[in-house]
Amino acid sequence: EAAVTQSPRNKVTVTGGNVTLSCRQTNSHNYMYWYRQDTGHGLRLIHYSYGAGNLQIGDVPDGYKATRTTQEDFFLLLELASPSQTSLYFCASRRQGGDYAEQFFGPGTRLTVL
Amino acid sequence: GDSVTQKQGQVTLSEDDFLFINCTYSTTTYPTLLWYVQYPGQGPQLLLKVTTANNKGISRGFEATYDKGTTSFHLQKASVQESDSAVYFCALANSGGSNAKLTFGKGTKLSVKS
Repeated sequence: EAAVTQSPRNKVTVTGGNVTLSCRQTNSHNYMYWYRQDTGHGLRLIHYSYGAGNLQIGDVPDGYKATRTTQEDFFLLLELASPSQTSLYFCASRRQGGDYAEQFFGPGTRLTVL
Repeated sequence: GDSVTQKQGQVTLSEDDFLFINCTYSTTTYPTLLWYVQYPGQGPQLLLKVTTANNKGISRGFEATYDKGTTSFHLQKASVQESDSAVYFCALANSGGSNAKLTFGKGTKLSVKS
């Protein structure tokens, strides 16, 4: 069973604050993803990566940076948090290869920006 | 680009009722189509995967069928239980064979009353 962990599970910050969300997968997966989930919008892709040092821009990247330091670790950075970034954030990972469409998700981080 | 439309935002049923959730998609190549389920407080998890090769998937009493002619794929279950209460997402693995990205529908919240 694929394992993806996220920390913290809950975070409250103020407008303009600096936030780092962490994700670790222990499945030796190449691909990792950051999504945000909002009512009425479903899951929207922020950034993704296909290996250490690689970063790909997703569909809603504005206001977010990401960094993939190792194959296991993927971080999402909000350097000047705004209330519009209050959301539920999910990390996911996937094996490389055209036969592997399935992504494995972590438990989520709920971020509140006051 | 790829797109997925999931119009039913909320469905309320009684136990033993029939469930049907529809998704339509748009893509330029042959897709892999997935259904994810998200239980309260958890990340999404794969429920079913359907490819152009098999056209149908079955898991845990759920069945998903893909219709290339109408570019739709729907999820059904003959008799729902209270434990099926969750949010269901359809998703499309991006065209081109790499399956690097998933495009999600907005989700359908299923509430089953006992």
